[in-house]
Amino acid sequence: KAGVTQTPRYLIKTRGQQVTLSCSPISGHRSVSWYQQTPGQGLQFLFEYFSETQRNKGNFPGRFSGRQFSNSRSEMNVSTLELGDSALYLCASSSPSVSGGDGYTFGSGTRLTVV
Amino acid sequence: GEDVEQSLFLSVREGDSSVINCTYTDSSSTYLYWYKQEPGAGLQLLTYIFSNMDMKQDQRLTVLLNKKDKHLSLRIADTQTGDSAIYFCAEFPNTGGFKTIFGAGTRLFVKA
Repeated sequence: KAGVTQTPRYLIKTRGQQVTLSCSPISGHRSVSWYQQTPGQGLQFLFEYFSETQRNKGNFPGRFSGRQFSNSRSEMNVSTLELGDSALYLCASSSPSVSGGDGYTFGSGTRLTVV
Repeated sequence: GEDVEQSLFLSVREGDSSVINCTYTDSSSTYLYWYKQEPGAGLQLLTYIFSNMDMKQDQRLTVLLNKKDKHLSLRIADTQTGDSAIYFCAEFPNTGGFKTIFGAGTRLFVKA
């Protein structure tokens, strides 16, 4: 079965612009989580969605937002980009209604570079 | 608070065993995980252990859990050069937060 698909793989944006990243989970997975990975901070939790509802949000400014569609696909948006937003953004899907359990399946990530 | 700690680097010779250690803070965590990340890729779930278990073995991988000390370890037997990667310890607190908390990752170097 197809894995978690993230698009695009690479992005270069200018400070002040906005960006939208997309994630298609494994078929049948209804929970989608987003993480930001940087060398200095490791993996930082952004948000988790289940059945189009955001169930938890990490400690990120309001410039970071997301949503989930009825087919479980998810998008995250970052507005007014800053240099510090340069990172690998990882999407993960999981099967049970309570995320965790048998763990996440991660996508390959979107590498965002802000110049 | 939420925190998962692990050492940043480990270097071993090919054929030796590798042991990666981790401590976590949330005693409510029902599941504890080990993930592997190779260059340019996302994380791959290697194995997980339920909090009511002490040990789990899966081929070359052995996970040991000491709940009293909140200590988790991953042993890789007969380490190969293909095992070179970053290994992340993670916990899933059973507090309804719906998020997995990751350590900073241990970079494993395997010398031929």
